[in-house]
Amino acid sequence: DTGVSQDPRHKITKRGQNVTFRCDPISEHNRLYWYRQTLGQGPEFLTYFQNEAQLEKSRLLSDRFSAERPKGSFSTLEIQRTEQGDSAMYLCASSPKGLPGYNAPLYEQYFGPGTRLTVT
Amino acid sequence: TQLLEQSPQFLSIQEGENLTVYCNSSSVFSSLQWYRQEPGEGPVLLVTVVTGGEVKKLKRLTFQFGDARKDSSLHITAAQPGDTGLYLCAGGSGNTGKLIFGQGTTLQVKP
Repeated sequence: DTGVSQDPRHKITKRGQNVTFRCDPISEHNRLYWYRQTLGQGPEFLTYFQNEAQLEKSRLLSDRFSAERPKGSFSTLEIQRTEQGDSAMYLCASSPKGLPGYNAPLYEQYFGPGTRLTVT
Repeated sequence: TQLLEQSPQFLSIQEGENLTVYCNSSSVFSSLQWYRQEPGEGPVLLVTVVTGGEVKKLKRLTFQFGDARKDSSLHITAAQPGDTGLYLCAGGSGNTGKLIFGQGTTLQVKP
């Protein structure tokens, strides 16, 4: 299977605990994105990496959230001191690099199955 | 702030009927994607359109990008129960790769 994988698929945690999610992108893709999706809504952008560099973070990403992509391969998203409002599906996506003057490949993002977080 | 509005939000039809889902914005996008998502799974990319006026067909699905690249539509002919799911449009601009998603259209096709 050469698609995007995420682990775990489901996580139930108590308020105040820390959680960490992992994403393995498609191997030849150099861009990796994190999104959050709540029930009945489309995904919302959180952050993205080009190789190992984190290039943009959404204002949705509070100080309790941190993401890394060491060596430009897999990525982790950590949430510290979880709150009930953090309950959501966390989605990871990857895309190939754009071409000079042609950015369309950046937006052909392939998503993983997501991690469903429930904070009780 | 770029926003994408999808309509309708919910659609329940009988097998064999045709339907159209709309995705509208006041902003120009350099590309627009359509995804289909099933409960508990991630979105699956159906198509990317990049040129104003572009039309792409994928079996019974027809996708169109507006001339001004601000809107798009998805038309399904002779819908089948297997088409049931959440349809999402997503627009991109610039070179960040950040996608702006609509809120989705939930389609239910009854046998």
